[in-house]
Amino acid sequence: GNSVTQMEGPVTLSEEAFLTINCTYTATGYPSLFWYVQYPGEGLQLLLKATKADDKGSNKGFEATYRKETTSFHLEKGSVQVSDSAVYFCSAVSSGSARQLTFGSGTQLTVLP
Amino acid sequence: DGGITQSPKYLFRKEGQNVTLSCEQNLNHDAMYWYRQDPGQGLRLIYYSQIVNDFQKGDIAEGYSVSREKKESFPLTVTSAQKNPTAFYLCASCQGQNSNQPQHFGDGTRLSIL
Repeated sequence: GNSVTQMEGPVTLSEEAFLTINCTYTATGYPSLFWYVQYPGEGLQLLLKATKADDKGSNKGFEATYRKETTSFHLEKGSVQVSDSAVYFCSAVSSGSARQLTFGSGTQLTVLP
Repeated sequence: DGGITQSPKYLFRKEGQNVTLSCEQNLNHDAMYWYRQDPGQGLRLIYYSQIVNDFQKGDIAEGYSVSREKKESFPLTVTSAQKNPTAFYLCASCQGQNSNQPQHFGDGTRLSIL
């Protein structure tokens, strides 16, 4: 089955710093890849996605590129804000079986003013 | 607006009591899921359902039960057999098993023991 490994947190940055959260995956076939964000006390919200190699997902200043050669999908943002403080989850899903939905363990990000 | 509604937001369980968490979606999605999230942890799959009247155990199904009598609804019962039920429970849905579309999540139910 699939597995997803995320950079362990917590991560603490100052406002306007550069963010990278690493994510690597192992999967059967060619999975679709997602980043979700979870704010305190809420469910997960889709942040961005990429469905094939070399695709770049982007949203709200965040970006991640599907790298097949390194099986990675690292999340980046050039200048973080206090409002970006949340938990970020990397996820991989392969078609054909609902059992192939896999999440990483999550990375807590805190941005200080 | 379409979405997933979980209720209640907070729930308390007494020892030996079964409790049921509600999950309703109006997205016309075929597949629905229940996850458990413990503090500082990722998501663990409890049960999932790909079509009405069918569901499958996830990684931590013991002490839980579900039903899928309607496409829109996928309630989760936390039984007295679940000895450590305190957690944040998340319901999700997506288009179907042959789709690579993302999951949509509800806002969760926080269950605590009295």
